[in-house]
Amino acid sequence: AQSVTQPDIHITVSEGASLELRCNYSYGATPYLFWYVQSPGQGLQLLLKYFSGDTLVQGIKGFEAEFKRSQSSFNLRKPSVHWSDAAEYFCAARTLQGAQKLVFGQGTRLTINP
Amino acid sequence: TAGITQAPTSQILAAGRSMTLRCTQDMRHNAMYWYRQDLGLGLRLIHYSNTAGTTGKGEVPDGYSVSRANTDDFPLTLASAVPSQTSVYFCASQRSPDHNEQFFGPGTRLTVL
Repeated sequence: AQSVTQPDIHITVSEGASLELRCNYSYGATPYLFWYVQSPGQGLQLLLKYFSGDTLVQGIKGFEAEFKRSQSSFNLRKPSVHWSDAAEYFCAARTLQGAQKLVFGQGTRLTINP
Repeated sequence: TAGITQAPTSQILAAGRSMTLRCTQDMRHNAMYWYRQDLGLGLRLIHYSNTAGTTGKGEVPDGYSVSRANTDDFPLTLASAVPSQTSVYFCASQRSPDHNEQFFGPGTRLTVL
């Protein structure tokens, strides 16, 4: 079955430190891949997406993600986090054909220490 | 631009009662979706609609029904609520089923007692 896994439920980093959030997918073929962010009490906002081409994609708010086909991964990174980055982050995938519905990972909650 | 609106923002409902969660988008998107968000499970698709007049079942459709009478509105109905339906519900829309990005509403927090 198609699935998306975020191994880390909760991550805490200090403000100014670098960040990497992990995401692995299990699909028959490479899906479209997305990262969304959810601030407390808010809906989801798209950070970035990967469809094809350059495996390093840039998003909003200084985030980037790298697609690695050999590892079935699409990890999200930021060189230096800000207190405002505290939120829940969701990785999602969608097939290119067929049902084309988004499948979400379980989410990773990010806490920023001052 | 309003984007996607959901109502109510939150609701406490007695078990066995019915309720309709409303979702309206003003972007003329063809595809719309309902998700529930539960701790540790991420977002799971309940029902979807690729275009007005059509609907389909998602991952967790039991206990829910939807209708899509027009492009803008996609209400979600709980005919007889149960405590396991306590969740945060998100409506989303997408320009077309094969388009790139889904846009999300602010959510409805539902508590069933």
